[in-house]
Amino acid sequence: QKEVEQDPGPLSVPEGAIVSLNCTYSNSAFQYFMWYRQYSRKGPELLMYTYSSGNKEDGRFTAQVDKSSKYISLFIRDSQPSDSATYLCAMRLGNFNKFYFGSGTKLNVKP
Amino acid sequence: SQTIHQWPATLVQPVGSPLSLECTVEGTSNPNLYWYRQAAGRGLQLLFYSVGIGQISSEVPQNLSASRPQDRQFILSSKKLLLSDSGFYLCAWSVPPGQGPTYEQYFGPGTRLTVT
Repeated sequence: QKEVEQDPGPLSVPEGAIVSLNCTYSNSAFQYFMWYRQYSRKGPELLMYTYSSGNKEDGRFTAQVDKSSKYISLFIRDSQPSDSATYLCAMRLGNFNKFYFGSGTKLNVKP
Repeated sequence: SQTIHQWPATLVQPVGSPLSLECTVEGTSNPNLYWYRQAAGRGLQLLFYSVGIGQISSEVPQNLSASRPQDRQFILSSKKLLLSDSGFYLCAWSVPPGQGPTYEQYFGPGTRLTVT
């Protein structure tokens, strides 16, 4: 079983739609939960992070962590064509050096 | 501010040829350094990480090797490339645990390697 599972998509939505991206994980010791955005042929860039459980909002983006279900989500409101990218979830144990990544979900927002 | 460089940006190499990809980081000291490979449409596969000069942890047994000759330099090498080595290679750095935010990992621009 992979440490982190993510639906690869692709996910195609019209502009203005609400997008929900999700990951599940198996290691209950993960403490840091991150979402990265990767444009085509570029390196990933950190979009949002959450420590432990709960929600975090940043503009049109909301990150949600449910540790009891080992499930994290990223919601994008009022999606824009510029949001078209691959979204990778990532997790980290508290004091360890490794990051564990999902396989990425490719999102296409149509004008 | 911190910057991470990778070169070359694109590389086409024949099967059996050697490989050397270089990554350097500016603006930070004693970073954790990472090499990832991303196959087309796939996630990030951690290949190596390093917590200090000469300290390399290998995650996937294969014909690749890594070295860290200086604090902010990380090199990925191969003596003989295989077709399966094709992919997008990403270098990244992070602050060691206990020395700052532990959620951020900063990625370089990547090297697209095609083995023919």
